[in-house]
Amino acid sequence: NAGVTQTPKFQVLKTGQSMTLQCAQDMNHNSMYWYRQDPGMGLRLIYYSASEGTTDKGEVPNGYNVSRLNKREFSLRLESAAPSQTSVYFCASSEETGVLGNQPQHFGDGTRLSIL
Amino acid sequence: AQTVTQSQPEMSVQEAETVTLSCTYDTSESDYYLFWYKQPPSRQMILVIRQEAYKQQNATENRFSVNFQKAAKSFSLKISDSQLGDAAMYFCAYSSGGSNYKLTFGKGTLLTVNP
Repeated sequence: NAGVTQTPKFQVLKTGQSMTLQCAQDMNHNSMYWYRQDPGMGLRLIYYSASEGTTDKGEVPNGYNVSRLNKREFSLRLESAAPSQTSVYFCASSEETGVLGNQPQHFGDGTRLSIL
Repeated sequence: AQTVTQSQPEMSVQEAETVTLSCTYDTSESDYYLFWYKQPPSRQMILVIRQEAYKQQNATENRFSVNFQKAAKSFSLKISDSQLGDAAMYFCAYSSGGSNYKLTFGKGTLLTVNP
């Protein structure tokens, strides 16, 4: 099925370990996003990429890095995981251009990450 | 900075009845967009409806409609003829116009649909 695919779905890490969350979309969208969802906080934007080769910080970028290697894929890396990064991570992509700008519309199923 | 407030952490509705979820926002901008997303237990976020601030007409999508009150900075979601499949967490979200990519979410309202 077409859409946004995230891997893995679940992961447990120890403090200080590194990990890359993968995201791919097959809808030929220009824009891609990484959010984290914490209880009682809604979703918060970590990083976004308006187009291939470009990335920008969102609301909560500290402790993360991203790579937009091609139009399909946008990865999120935790270099040294901390317990505060325990969360559910969502990747999203958007096809909108023009008047509506780049608004996320299609989300992946999320990655539940626990850091001990 | 923009903020989005959903004052109802939980709501319930009887199947086939109508329910309204509240959302207010704070902004000094005149050009912006508002959204309602649904997140069922499967966790996938689904865009339900969106509203452009410059449009006076309220958006509708089948059983879902909004009441957009720009002066009051209010953006409520009405679900008519509620179905069991409507049970989910609903998030209100705001985005600036232009090239601002940031989407600001409220904390969500958990909707329960009773048979």
